[in-house]
Amino acid sequence: QQQVKQSPQSLIVQKGGISIINCAYENTAFDYFPWYQQFPGKGPALLIAIRPDVSEKKEGRFTISFNKSAKQFSLHIMDSQPGDSATYFCAASIRSNFGNEKLTFGTGTRLTIIP
Amino acid sequence: DARVTQTPRHKVTEMGQEVTMRCQPILGHNTVFWYRQTMMQGLELLAYFRNRAPLDDSGMPKDRFSAEMPDATLATLKIQPSEPRDSAVYFCASGFSLDTITGELFFGEGSRLTVL
Repeated sequence: QQQVKQSPQSLIVQKGGISIINCAYENTAFDYFPWYQQFPGKGPALLIAIRPDVSEKKEGRFTISFNKSAKQFSLHIMDSQPGDSATYFCAASIRSNFGNEKLTFGTGTRLTIIP
Repeated sequence: DARVTQTPRHKVTEMGQEVTMRCQPILGHNTVFWYRQTMMQGLELLAYFRNRAPLDDSGMPKDRFSAEMPDATLATLKIQPSEPRDSAVYFCASGFSLDTITGELFFGEGSRLTVL
């Protein structure tokens, strides 16, 4: 059972454009939603994360939008740059009383920014 | 520069052979996770430990895979016997369970396994 569904599988965006990646989850107990960025040959690294008590979080050009009722969240990359070309994973976990309990990842989106 | 260290980075082996992958988590971290990455399945959780105790290995094929933490500085993932379908990149990640602010996991660079 895939608890976090991610789309699209791949995305090509022109430099300066907006990249949008979507995720949907099933388990309403999830209370922590991070996005990880992975470059070729490297491990994923935390990019930005959100808790369900807010609907949006912005860090520089990266924004997470969160819709609790629809059980969906998305990553927006504004003014996309070639250096943003990477694979992006959404994830979810149940934080409870601990910090980083196990993350359930989406299947990833390969983003390519073209000049 | 604290980082998660994984060895080997690349491993090519023949079907039926034993494979052991090792991970040195970041000093001070008390949670360790093993993930497997494939094109089809993305990142699958195989096992995770908190304070060296195994908490969840439900994603791991029990008949051939085993994960251990002999001490706080070493986690191992063993496959015996290996099969071609085990070919993937295996990632180790560590974190601090009481980090309720960021909850960040730190990943190693992975061990790319090819089973012929």
